Amino acid sequence: QKEVEQNSGPLSVPEGAIASLNCTYSDRGSQSFFWYRQYSGKSPELIMFIYSNGDKEDGRFTAQLNKASQYVSLLIRDSQPSDSATYLCAVNSGGSNYKLTFGKGTLLTVNP
Amino acid sequence: EAQVTQNPRYLITVTGKKLTVTCSQNMNHEYMSWYRQDPGLGLRQIYYSMNVEVTDKGDVPEGYKVSRKEKRNFPLILESPSPNQTSLYFCASSPWPIGGEKLFFGSGTQLSVL
Repeated sequence: QKEVEQNSGPLSVPEGAIASLNCTYSDRGSQSFFWYRQYSGKSPELIMFIYSNGDKEDGRFTAQLNKASQYVSLLIRDSQPSDSATYLCAVNSGGSNYKLTFGKGTLLTVNP
Repeated sequence: EAQVTQNPRYLITVTGKKLTVTCSQNMNHEYMSWYRQDPGLGLRQIYYSMNVEVTDKGDVPEGYKVSRKEKRNFPLILESPSPNQTSLYFCASSPWPIGGEKLFFGSGTQLSVL
């Protein structure tokens, strides 16, 4: 059973701070990694994806991948109250069983 | 507007009464999938389809049926709903036919089975 683990939170940060969200995965053959944001009562929305080791930046968001440690993270710089949401990590395994597995999500609260 | 449309948004039913949740996408995506989301359990895949007439089980397929007769539609059928199927359901589509990367989600259907 391929697993994706996230800290359930809630993670609380003050406005303007850096929020750090973490995710580990069990399948060493995993090839692609995604972060979805889900506001309360809404559907998930893709905000970042990363395929290679290292950092990928998009505006205030940075995704970090370390395949050796089976670890992927999302950094949100200059956090805003509008960033308050649940963040879902999703991992797509490789090989013959190519499917997307979601973590249970981390609830982030940004306090004004 | 590119979107995935699910209906209904809310549904209350009784045990054993067959129901269908519709899902339609206008993005010409090959891949479509159904998920259920439960507190503490996260998003779990029910069924997916990589193309017309091609469907396969996800992680929690028991009690559900799907069909993919047209590329744009992927209805979820509960032949005999039970209270443990009370959940928030999402339909999703993806331009990636394998694995369903970069999913676009519908607005969700909150189902209550009494």
